Amino acid sequence: ETGVTQTPRHLVMGMTNKKSLKCEQHLGHNAMYWYKQSAKKPLELMFVYNFKEQTENNSVPSRFSPECPNSSHLFLHLHTLQPEDSALYLCASSHGASTGVSWELFFGEGSRLTVL
Amino acid sequence: QKEVEQNSGPLSVPEGAIASLNCTYSDRGSQSFFWYRQYSGKSPELIMFIYSNGDKEDGRFTAQLNKASQYVSLLIRDSQPSDSATYLCAVISGTSYDKVIFGPGTSLSVIP
Repeated sequence: ETGVTQTPRHLVMGMTNKKSLKCEQHLGHNAMYWYKQSAKKPLELMFVYNFKEQTENNSVPSRFSPECPNSSHLFLHLHTLQPEDSALYLCASSHGASTGVSWELFFGEGSRLTVL
Repeated sequence: QKEVEQNSGPLSVPEGAIASLNCTYSDRGSQSFFWYRQYSGKSPELIMFIYSNGDKEDGRFTAQLNKASQYVSLLIRDSQPSDSATYLCAVISGTSYDKVIFGPGTSLSVIP
């Protein structure tokens, strides 16, 4: 596989459920990102990891819990979500800030989350 | 003030015309600017980046940057129906290089 892969592509969960989104990148990048995309709203940066260390938490509620075990994998653990959390969650990767190379983001196809 | 602003559109242009997309940003320390294209139901993909004041051309696309005015634009020449998409302006934070902030996007429709 190449690029950035996200699973599952679609997820429906109740407000009391616990689920996780997974992202894997095969590009040799050092930085990984979670973005939330809701209808009629800009892409919202949630978390950034650089060399497995969290470098950005954009005031995200604690019901979203990220995990980055290595530079190739990123998870978003979900628990006690609200209906307004329903959105497309996009994972991205890049070479990251340490290399000074272009900050181009490569996105996965996204995980469409519906909270009932 | 929002960090990155764009006209939401929709912007409609006839095939073959020039489409002009605009973006303003609030962080004076920002040094890197990007234009992404997002087709409906797809993920964003990079089409241009620009770091220096002035123009940067790549095929039918020209990015323009004016840091003094905190303004970046994208011109699409000879617009094609396949250019119909949402165009997202993205800015790297001037204080946190990991922070890539997106504007709300401008929806472009190229009419055959």
